[in-house]
Amino acid sequence: AQSVAQPEDQVNVAEGNPLTVKCTYSVSGNPYLFWYVQYPNRGLQFLLKYITGDNLVKGSYGFEAEFNKSQTSFHLKKPSALVSDSALYFCAVRRTDSWGKLQFGAGTQVVVTP
Amino acid sequence: DVKVTQSSRYLVKRTGEKVFLECVQDMDHENMFWYRQDPGLGLRLIYFSYDVKMKEKGDIPEGYSVSREKKERFSLILESASTNQTSMYLCASTFETGYSPEAFFGQGTRLTVV
Repeated sequence: AQSVAQPEDQVNVAEGNPLTVKCTYSVSGNPYLFWYVQYPNRGLQFLLKYITGDNLVKGSYGFEAEFNKSQTSFHLKKPSALVSDSALYFCAVRRTDSWGKLQFGAGTQVVVTP
Repeated sequence: DVKVTQSSRYLVKRTGEKVFLECVQDMDHENMFWYRQDPGLGLRLIYFSYDVKMKEKGDIPEGYSVSREKKERFSLILESASTNQTSMYLCASTFETGYSPEAFFGQGTRLTVV
């Protein structure tokens, strides 16, 4: 089995400050990890993924994520947050029961204030 | 641009009605999914299809069925809608790569059962 934990329901940050959204995972074997973003009343959009290789992964809209195997974490980061980054962020891991399926975390609401 | 299109953004149905949610993708993806999204619970997999006429139950299939008669179309059916099925429903699709199941999502259907 596999699981994803996003320990914060909400993250508040001022515009221009660094943004971090936390994610920890549990999965047997090599993890395949993803971040998605959901803007209000929209579907999810892919941000970035870690499959193998460099632990720092760069993605869309200036986001990056750091894979840490020893801490089983995959935190999403942005050096300077924008008000338009306010959205719901989901971390996901590929499931081990089926290649095509993802297991999602509960989501973290990011609020960026001007 | 890749597209996953859900037929309705908002639906209001009465308890006991049979409800059809339609999803179409134009990317020739093998895999299609139906999720429901509820606050604090993230995305939960209802059903999964890996080919035409092939389907697999997800984590919460009770009260739902699916149909996939053509590769591009995946329908979710609520046999007899109940108020506890009020939720946001998200359709997604992926290539059958096995290594990098980057999912593409529709815009979601917000269903209210009264």
